[in-house]
Amino acid sequence: DAGVTQSPTHLIKTRGQQVTLRCSPKSGHDTVSWYQQALGQGPQFIFQYYEEEERQRGNFPDRFSGHQFPNYSSELNVNALLLGDSALYLCASSSFGTGRATNEKLFFGSGTQLSVL
Amino acid sequence: DQQVKQNSPSLSVQEGRISILNCDYTNSMFDYFLWYKKYPAEGPTFLISISSIKDKNEDGRFTVFLNKSAKHLSLHIVPSQPGDSAVYFCAARKGGNQGGKLIFGQGTELSVKP
Repeated sequence: DAGVTQSPTHLIKTRGQQVTLRCSPKSGHDTVSWYQQALGQGPQFIFQYYEEEERQRGNFPDRFSGHQFPNYSSELNVNALLLGDSALYLCASSSFGTGRATNEKLFFGSGTQLSVL
Repeated sequence: DQQVKQNSPSLSVQEGRISILNCDYTNSMFDYFLWYKKYPAEGPTFLISISSIKDKNEDGRFTVFLNKSAKHLSLHIVPSQPGDSAVYFCAARKGGNQGGKLIFGQGTELSVKP
């Protein structure tokens, strides 16, 4: 049973560029959340996707956008990269069940380490 | 505004002894709390959780205690093992937000020495 997979594992970009990160949820899961973890900090919620729609959003600017595909996989896009966007980006999956989340225990991928130079 | 705080960035414990990791929160709307463990180069993995209607939850060597009046929770690991060395995050969720946004603390790095 494959867990949450993320690609790429590492990425180096320069300021002003755009980046796309990818995530495949754990088998049987239909909800994907994205978190940003800066060095020495805990993960911070970016947004959550369910049924191909953004359901919740954290305190992140519009430069951060996402998408969920019919197979439940997801992408995180960041435009106009800033030095401060350098962080570990974590994808987490869960099961929303019958319209009400039944699994509180998010399953995380190993993350994508983004460095902005 | 840091709603979930782990004030100890690191903790060192001898193998076989008890490890106690602490977490404080400020938002009384939180109704569910979780602990995650993170090894280097891996994503966080779920460890144990507790609902706000309880004050204690046990799972093997791990016990979480919740003191709602003090807005404080703690994770006890007994006995501690070298394999427990990792970064531990507490996280909280607001009521009515099932499966949604978790708010994490900054983490505590636990080192268990043989």
